[in-house]
Formats: sequence, structure tokens, C-alpha cells
Amino acid sequence: EAQVTQNPRYLITVTGKKLTVTCSQNMNHEYMSWYRQDPGLGLRQIYYSMNVEVTDKGDVPEGYKVSRKEKRNFPLILESPSPNQTSLYFCASRRSENYGYTFGSGTRLTVV
Amino acid sequence: AQKITQTQPGMFVQEKEAVTLDCTYDTSDPSYGLFWYKQPSSGEMIFLIYQGSYDQQNATEGRYSLNFQKARKSANLVISASQLGDSAMYFCAMREVPYGNKLVFGAGTILRVKS
Repeated sequence: EAQVTQNPRYLITVTGKKLTVTCSQNMNHEYMSWYRQDPGLGLRQIYYSMNVEVTDKGDVPEGYKVSRKEKRNFPLILESPSPNQTSLYFCASRRSENYGYTFGSGTRLTVV
Repeated sequence: AQKITQTQPGMFVQEKEAVTLDCTYDTSDPSYGLFWYKQPSSGEMIFLIYQGSYDQQNATEGRYSLNFQKARKSANLVISASQLGDSAMYFCAMREVPYGNKLVFGAGTILRVKS
């Protein structure tokens, strides 16, 4: 089954404790992206990647890092999480320009 | 400035009736794409429909159609024959080619279908 897999689905952590949210797609898509969803703001792009070793900042990159060492994986790293990073996070990949993005199931992160 | 505006925070519709969800966008680029996504209470994002800026006809996908009015910069989603399962959050999004093809989302509209 074609899908984007994110882990974990839910995570509660403490301020400053480094964490990684994993994202993997099995569709051989070149383009992958991370979004965060907050009430009243819709989804905002954090980082995106056009291909292996090619990443760039989105609209809200502060406090986040990404890497794209292989095509299928695009992990999101929070080096020192803060409470304002409490959000619902989505990883997405895209086949081509005219196709909708395929989203992962989301990761609900709470930073206390 | 907001690039995607969804002016209806919430909507109600009677089952089996049609409903229109509004979306206006702002771009100076002639090449762009418009998307609608559905997010049910379970949280996943489901792609519904796509309209390219150069497409001559309005996009349709089953009960979903996109009322694309380029001069007015609007891309309203029309759901015909509403079903209870259509109750969800709906997001309009735009892809701008010069900006790395990223999607920019509106704030969303919550749709509730009444029986």
C-alpha cells in the first residue's frame, strides 16, 4: 500500500529534550515536506526537500532541523523543544506538480 | 498578507443538499495550482481535488467540483448531495511554482452535515 508513515503518533516530552519524528514513504517520491498545524492557522510548512541531500526552509523553520540522506526518509529533528512547538505535525510527499500531496497520519507533539 | 483566505470558519448543511466552501487566493505568478483537502476528526489529510491555473475547465471528482473563477481569484469547493461522512475540516491550498512548489494552506472551514 502506497503511504507515508510517521512515528510516533503521539509524543509528550519536556522542554529541551531532543527528539526526532520519523517519516518514510514507499512511493519513490522526490519531494517531501514537513508541516505543522495549529488552530486558526491551517498548515504551515517547516522544511521541504526536492530530492536526496536537497533541503530548504519553509515558512516556520526556527527550532527545527531536517535531513534527507535517502529518498524514502525525511526525519524532523527538534534539538531543544519548547512549549511553542506543541502542535500537530504532518509529513507529506508528492509525486508530481499536478497531484495532491500524500500526507502521513500526523504526530501530535506536546512539549511541557 | 494572507495568500489563501477561507472566510467561513464553520458551515452547516442539511444531508443531501449541496454546499459551497469559499476560498480566495492571492498570487502574482501566472502558474499555480489549487487544492482542496479534507481532514476528518481522525486527523488524516485527504486530497480531494486539484485545479491548475491554466486549466480551461473546472475540475470535478465525483461529488466534488471546484468553481474556479480566475479573474476573481476564487476557487470554491462545491460538494453535492452532502453525506454525514462529509463532516470534517476542509482546507484550501495553493502551490506556487517560484516558491519551491510548496503548498500554502488556508485556515480551514469546519463543515457539519445535519441529518
